[in-house]
Amino acid sequence: AQRVTQPEKLLSVFKGAPVELKCNYSYSGSPELFWYVQYSRQRLQLLLRHISRESIKGFTADLNKGETSFHLKKPFAQEEDSAMYYCASLGGGYQKVTFGTGTKLQVIP
Amino acid sequence: GAGVSQTPSNKVTEKGKYVELRCDPISGHTALYWYRQSLGQGPEFLIYFQGTGAADDSGLPNDRFFAVRPEGSVSTLKIQRTERGDSAVYLCASSLNPGDTQYFGPGTRLTVL
Repeated sequence: AQRVTQPEKLLSVFKGAPVELKCNYSYSGSPELFWYVQYSRQRLQLLLRHISRESIKGFTADLNKGETSFHLKKPFAQEEDSAMYYCASLGGGYQKVTFGTGTKLQVIP
Repeated sequence: GAGVSQTPSNKVTEKGKYVELRCDPISGHTALYWYRQSLGQGPEFLIYFQGTGAADDSGLPNDRFFAVRPEGSVSTLKIQRTERGDSAVYLCASSLNPGDTQYFGPGTRLTVL
């Protein structure tokens, strides 16, 4: 079974500091990986997916198959980045998305 | 157009009762997904519809849970003989086609007393 691990429940950083939200996955094939974000009182929404290789709101994530990781990074945190972030994977030809437990990012002004 | 909507937003029921949760996907989206999110956890897959048929229901925890999508649009998640452990936020998502970006609804918070 697929598994997505986010080791940090809470990550607090100061405004302007770099951010790295960790995500590791377990899947022997070629999964498709995502980061979802949920801002306060808003619904869950897609932030980025690895096949797009794009940067959204300054965030990037690189798939490292050797380390089975898909960490989310941003060089300079902003207060509006404070939210809950979920890493997720889709794999095996199925449409079942497996989510991690989430990391709450708190950006301190 | 409007995003995914879910009704009710909150549902409080007593142990043993039957509940129905409704999801209205984005118009034209062929794929519809149900997830359950317990406190402190990420969303957990329950079932996925492609059109009217349940393409993957492997996430349904037991036979008390059932979902339908009779006309390929609105879906209803049905829970029989509710238990306190069923308390969670139930999320619905839809995508244009399987594998496309999933758009989530606001969720229904179910509380079983």
